[in-house]
Amino acid sequence: GQNIDQPTEMTATEGAIVQINCTYQTSGFNGLFWYQQHAGEAPTFLSYNVLDGLEEKGRFSSFLSRSKGYSYLLLKELQMKDSASYLCAVLDSNYQLIWGAGTKLIIKP
Amino acid sequence: DSGVTQTPKHLITATGQRVTLRCSPRSGDLSVYWYQQSLDQGLQFLIQYYNGEERAKGNILERFSAQQFPDLHSELNLSSLELGDSALYFCASSVGGGDVNEQFFGPGTRLTVL
Repeated sequence: GQNIDQPTEMTATEGAIVQINCTYQTSGFNGLFWYQQHAGEAPTFLSYNVLDGLEEKGRFSSFLSRSKGYSYLLLKELQMKDSASYLCAVLDSNYQLIWGAGTKLIIKP
Repeated sequence: DSGVTQTPKHLITATGQRVTLRCSPRSGDLSVYWYQQSLDQGLQFLIQYYNGEERAKGNILERFSAQQFPDLHSELNLSSLELGDSALYFCASSVGGGDVNEQFFGPGTRLTVL
């Protein structure tokens, strides 16, 4: 079967750095997405990785290791508005997006 | 604003009823995806249409059906509604049928079944 694992919930402090991990086992791999979703709102795209390595985009970075079936999203200089759920999703061999259950990130002042 | 529109925003109905949710994709996008998200749960993929044809099916109940029209808007029909169908229903669109482009999500329709 296809499986994506993320921690259910994480807590971090404003101004700090947090790393949200995602491990996956899918039938094939054509890339990994990270989306942000504020409570009651639509998910919005954060990043896409298909090659190994780190992609940096402002305060957010995403890392991929295909051999380990592993990715992480790194958020720096945390702000209160970063409180949201972060969804990891993998594009499988059929180009179907398999979604993780999401990690709820709570930022404390 | 993602460019994807969904109507209605809120819907309250009773068990056993039938409702239709509507989605208009971004201009130029050929794929439409439907998702269900129950309270504090992850996104559950229901179904995808590409250029009018069903492209992929997820955990969609037999009581649910969808279609994509020639103008590319899509409708999700939910029938014989149960309390457990109360959820946020999202529509998303993307350029291709199975591609590496991001999906753009609409604001969702919040369905409450009483």
